[in-house]
Amino acid sequence: EVQLVESGGGLVQPGRSMKLSCAASGFTFNNYDMAWVCQAPKKGLEWVATISYDGSSTYYRDSVKGRFTISRDNAKSTLYLQMDSLRSEDTATYYCARHPYPYYWYFDFWGPGTMVTVSS
Amino acid sequence: DVVMTQTPVSLSVSLGNQASISCRSSQSLLHSDGNTYLSWYLQKPGQSPQLLIYLASNRFSGVSNRFSGSGSGTDFTLKISRVEPEDLGVYYCFQHTHLPLTFGSGTKLEIK
Repeated sequence: EVQLVESGGGLVQPGRSMKLSCAASGFTFNNYDMAWVCQAPKKGLEWVATISYDGSSTYYRDSVKGRFTISRDNAKSTLYLQMDSLRSEDTATYYCARHPYPYYWYFDFWGPGTMVTVSS
Repeated sequence: DVVMTQTPVSLSVSLGNQASISCRSSQSLLHSDGNTYLSWYLQKPGQSPQLLIYLASNRFSGVSNRFSGSGSGTDFTLKISRVEPEDLGVYYCFQHTHLPLTFGSGTKLEIK
């Protein structure tokens, strides 16, 4: 059974950093591109970033470029999102999601999400 | 960025009736490889989204055949036949033909 479990969320002050993790199990992690998707409170879904199966390529939405870094450790079957210079508008639930095939970037499995609140 | 416009914003449907949701993109979603990268998701209350339809018209494994997707280019439709109580939630379309990847703003399905 495919499982994705995010962790690392919480309350953080504006301008500070936070690192999210997503532990994957039930599939061969290093065969799949992975992504982060966020959802601000009572709002819709927004794609944040995608990383290729081997970590060699990364893609970001403009609003997080230069502030967020997606990475992965295939030996640990874990996906990460390093978030720096956080802003109040980054407050959201962050979902880890799997892309089913390279460049077929829809999401076939999602984690339950972890909430990030940016506030002083 | 490709803007995905969903209509209606909300929809109230009686059990057993059909629901239809429209999604229009500001650019064609037909990729040069011949695929149309449009998918549909349902987010039930308090849950993470779940995949319903991919490549515009392909039902994901385990998804009821009451769900069907159609469309091409810039106009797409999700139809839900014989609406059941477990269908309530917010439906999102999503394109991954163009970067950045973008979602529609969602359609809330309520049961009358």
